[in-house]
Amino acid sequence: NAGVTQTPKFRILKIGQSMTLQCTQDMNHNYMYWYRQDPGMGLKLIYYSVGAGITDKGEVPNGYNVSRSTTEDFPLRLELAAPSQTSVYFCASNGGQSAAPQHFGDGTRLSIL
Amino acid sequence: AQTVTQSQPEMSVQEAETVTLSCTYDTSESDYYLFWYKQPPSRQMILVIRQEAYKQQNATENRFSVNFQKAAKSFSLKISDSQLGDAAMYFCAYRSRAGNQFYFGTGTSLTVIP
Repeated sequence: NAGVTQTPKFRILKIGQSMTLQCTQDMNHNYMYWYRQDPGMGLKLIYYSVGAGITDKGEVPNGYNVSRSTTEDFPLRLELAAPSQTSVYFCASNGGQSAAPQHFGDGTRLSIL
Repeated sequence: AQTVTQSQPEMSVQEAETVTLSCTYDTSESDYYLFWYKQPPSRQMILVIRQEAYKQQNATENRFSVNFQKAAKSFSLKISDSQLGDAAMYFCAYRSRAGNQFYFGTGTSLTVIP
């Protein structure tokens, strides 16, 4: 059972570079989320999607973009990477029912130097 | 936006003892869900327990139980017979029935002392 798969697991970027964090889930979940977790902190929502073609901003969307062309995939794009975006990024999904918990990927540790 | 507060950044417990982690939340809604997640050093987020606000009975999962006080907007996690494998960050989370987002607290780091 794959669940939520994130790639890559680790990445180092230079300031100003761009990259895409990949996230895919095989549970046919409508809801998908991107969070960042800074050291010693909780999760902050970047973007989320309630279905293919629908995305919405979370608490900290600046500097990021997302797309949702399929139910399975929800990539997160960083444009012009900045040191403040150094963090661990988590993708999560859930089936949409209010009581359903989120299923998380293993995270991507991103460092921007 | 709803806020979730975990006022204990760090806690420690002796192996086999009981520990309680605190969580409070702020909401004007009456129908919602509360969750505790565990994040071990592996970084994986693991669901520990879930509580539905309209249920008065406190949720229990083996050694894990909650004390849900709706009027006080409090949702504490009790871990009984603590084991070394319980050492982790614990996050409290909230989701309203009508909403799409989950709101997380800042976490409590639990150390289990052998």
